[in-house]
Amino acid sequence: QVQLVQSGAEVKKPGASVKVSCKASGYTFSSYYIHWVRQAPGQGPEWMGIINTSGGSVTYAQKFQGRVTVTRDTSTGTVYMELSGLRSDDTAVYYCARDRLPLRLGEFSYWGQGTPVTVSS
Amino acid sequence: EIVLTQSPGTLSLSPGERATLSCRASQSVRSSYLAWYQQKPGQAPRLLIYDASSRATGIPDRFSGSGSGTDFTLTISRLEPEDFAVYYCQQYASWYTFGQGTKLEMK
Repeated sequence: QVQLVQSGAEVKKPGASVKVSCKASGYTFSSYYIHWVRQAPGQGPEWMGIINTSGGSVTYAQKFQGRVTVTRDTSTGTVYMELSGLRSDDTAVYYCARDRLPLRLGEFSYWGQGTPVTVSS
Repeated sequence: EIVLTQSPGTLSLSPGERATLSCRASQSVRSSYLAWYQQKPGQAPRLLIYDASSRATGIPDRFSGSGSGTDFTLTISRLEPEDFAVYYCQQYASWYTFGQGTKLEMK
């Protein structure tokens, strides 16, 4: 069965960076895009970016450009999201998610369990 | 950026009643590329509806979606106790944005 398993909770100081991993299994890794979405407490989800797991190309939401980097390791089927210059308003649960259909930008049918990231001095 | 506005913010209903949730887009969502998700506390969102009206795999038929252009609706025909949650709409016609959510609470 399809699974996206994320790394554990993180606590960081303002100005630091955080790197969250998302290990995919149960399907052909390079056939589906992977997205990163975050959700601040009490807020709706917010899309951060996408990686084409086949070629490695990425697109980031304008809000995060210059601060976020998404990479993948095809040998392990893992996608990484690194966010730098952390601020208190980056405190959120970070999710990876997969499109429903292969190589089609669309709705997210599978989600990781979420990684809470707390930014506090 | 397409902004999605959901209403009402909170909906108080009883099991067995019908729920109607609205999602309005700031501009037309081409090809009805709109999805609905259900989220329970401490869980990731769960896909219910995609392409405005298609039910995702395993979703009960009491959930239905409709609409096009800028106005979309999620209807739950007869509420079950497990349906009380927060619901989000999402558009994927122009990258991705989500609404702020409707909380469906038990009366």
